[in-house]
Amino acid sequence: DTGVSQDPRHKITKRGQNVTFRCDPISEHNRLYWYRQTLGQGPEFLTYFQNEAQLEKSRLLSDRFSAERPKGSFSTLEIQRTEQGDSAMYLCASSGGGRDAYEQYFGPGTRLTVT
Amino acid sequence: RKEVEQDPGPFNVPEGATVAFNCTYSNSASQSFFWYRQDCRKEPKLLMSVYSSGNEDGRFTAQLNRASQYISLLIRDSKLSDSATYLCVVNRAAGNKLTFGGGTRVLVKP
Repeated sequence: DTGVSQDPRHKITKRGQNVTFRCDPISEHNRLYWYRQTLGQGPEFLTYFQNEAQLEKSRLLSDRFSAERPKGSFSTLEIQRTEQGDSAMYLCASSGGGRDAYEQYFGPGTRLTVT
Repeated sequence: RKEVEQDPGPFNVPEGATVAFNCTYSNSASQSFFWYRQDCRKEPKLLMSVYSSGNEDGRFTAQLNRASQYISLLIRDSKLSDSATYLCVVNRAAGNKLTFGGGTRVLVKP
């Protein structure tokens, strides 16, 4: 499978715990995006990398959230001291360069439940 | 006001019928427009890009009206498998973030 992959697919955690999610983009794509989606809403942008550089962060990304893409390949999203409001689907997407930069392809998502 | 607004539906459509729905966007600097399809508890999948001249892909036709800042999607000869949520998406520049509407739910019934 050469699409975007995410791990884990599901995560249940207790309030206050830290969680980390991983995203592996399509191999030739240099842009990687994180979005969050809650029930009944469209995805909301969190942050975006071009290669290893984090170029934009949403105001939704509080100081409890951190994202990295250390070698310009896979990315991790960490949430510290989780809260019940963090329960959502976390989606990763990637896109290529040039004209391909306009079209983003999504992974299957990590569904987080904070109890 | 949300940057991209859609009628949430649901649009209940008899199999074989035509259904059309719009979305409006508020940022006139938006450059790229898309329709994504999302099945229940799955990731969004790119259905089609929307071009100024309008474009068609099989049973799906998309239109863009920059003056009025709306995008439309028309589905002809609806199939049961077309049941999904259709997300209207805008982008201000290549490589930039996507801004999603809340989605329009379509239910095709026999």
